Amino acid sequence: QSALTQPPSASGSPGQSVTISCTGTSGDVGGYKYVFWHQQHPGKAPKLILYDVSKRPSGVPDRFSGSKSGNTASLTVSGLLAEDEADYYCSSYSGGNNFVFGTGTTVTVL
Amino acid sequence: EVQLVESGGGLVQSGRSLRLSCAASGFNFDAFGMHWVRQAPGKGLEWVSTISWNSRVIGYADSVKGRFTISRDNAKNSLSLQMNSLRPEDTALYYCAKDMAVRDSWPILRGVDDWGQGTTVTVSS
Repeated sequence: QSALTQPPSASGSPGQSVTISCTGTSGDVGGYKYVFWHQQHPGKAPKLILYDVSKRPSGVPDRFSGSKSGNTASLTVSGLLAEDEADYYCSSYSGGNNFVFGTGTTVTVL
Repeated sequence: EVQLVESGGGLVQSGRSLRLSCAASGFNFDAFGMHWVRQAPGKGLEWVSTISWNSRVIGYADSVKGRFTISRDNAKNSLSLQMNSLRPEDTALYYCAKDMAVRDSWPILRGVDDWGQGTTVTVSS
């Protein structure tokens, strides 16, 4: 049950795009379409922003998009806003009634 | 609106036990799986345990297997986590979280879509 690998940090200027990777194995990210992404602002509970790789819950702007290729999923935030500055975590079903989260990525809006 | 309110956290000595509870409202509790997820101070999220809507499917992280027990009472809209043999490395903010998959869908568990605000557990050595 190793954590999914994410880059520790990512950054971009307002209006630019940033992409965060989430690398696992064929036993988790590569084997299932149940990759979720969560956003967490400092001192707050996480919030779901993408599910099933690329679907957005109601109320999440379409600036957030997701994809997957092989054992790596990606989150792209387009048109960066100051409010997008937060920690982002991927998660995946990993079989055997288990789940796993990513190591987390801190996004900084320059 | 989904509401998940955790309670039961506190300061406990290593080796002792603690029981966390989560009161759920705003949705049909008996139709959804639930999770416990924790976050150590300054660290990332760690999945701890999950239970299906009917309690027939249960999973644990290797780090807590054999020490923690998840359970639910659908009549009381309540989720619990019994934590035994606590260790300093169990110190964290523990979140109660709702799964997205609804009863009778496949898969029976899919991933977290709603979170509580968390309850803090501190284990002293």
